[in-house]
Amino acid sequence: ETGVTQTPRHLVMGMTNKKSLKCEQHLGHNAMYWYKQSAKKPLELMFVYNFKEQTENNSVPSRFSPECPNSSHLFLHLHTLQPEDSALYLCASSQDALGGEGMINYGYTFGSGTRLTVV
Amino acid sequence: QKEVEQDPGPLSVPEGAIVSLNCTYSNSAFQYFMWYRQYSRKGPELLMYTYSSGNKEDGRFTAQVDKSSKYISLFIRDSQPSDSATYLCAMADNYGQNFVFGPGTRLSVLP
Repeated sequence: ETGVTQTPRHLVMGMTNKKSLKCEQHLGHNAMYWYKQSAKKPLELMFVYNFKEQTENNSVPSRFSPECPNSSHLFLHLHTLQPEDSALYLCASSQDALGGEGMINYGYTFGSGTRLTVV
Repeated sequence: QKEVEQDPGPLSVPEGAIVSLNCTYSNSAFQYFMWYRQYSRKGPELLMYTYSSGNKEDGRFTAQVDKSSKYISLFIRDSQPSDSATYLCAMADNYGQNFVFGPGTRLSVLP
């Protein structure tokens, strides 16, 4: 396996279910991200992990809970979602390197995403 | 005003045409710029990465940044049907960390 892999590719869940999305990167990168992509809207950053530590949480509702057990794996735990949470959830990784103002992100590698439908 | 704006398209061009994709932005602190291509049912893939103003060329693709106008462009020469995808621009300030994405432009290259 190479790059960033996400499972499952598709998920349909009821509003009372609990499910988890999984992401694994095989690139040796030091940062991992969760993004939400909805139709005709820009990618929305949800969570950032640098060296396994969460560094960003962009006002995401608590029904989304991330977990980063090591630098290669990232999970997004879902519970009591709403229909408006239906979207493509993308995992990404990057190899941040030291630049003039601190750590610089030289580009994301994205997985193919999980298409989530909440019914 | 949205932080990053793109014409959503769809943009349809004949094979072989020169394509110009554009983004405008409002934050004058943006220094790092990226272009991504996203095929249907796939994640975005990095095409071009540039810093500050100027041009960068890679094969049939040229990225151009005009910071004075807060305007970036991606040019595709000799466009091919395989270039049909959604193109996303992304940009970050001088900390070069979390990038802000545009909503994307959908391009169709017709054989």
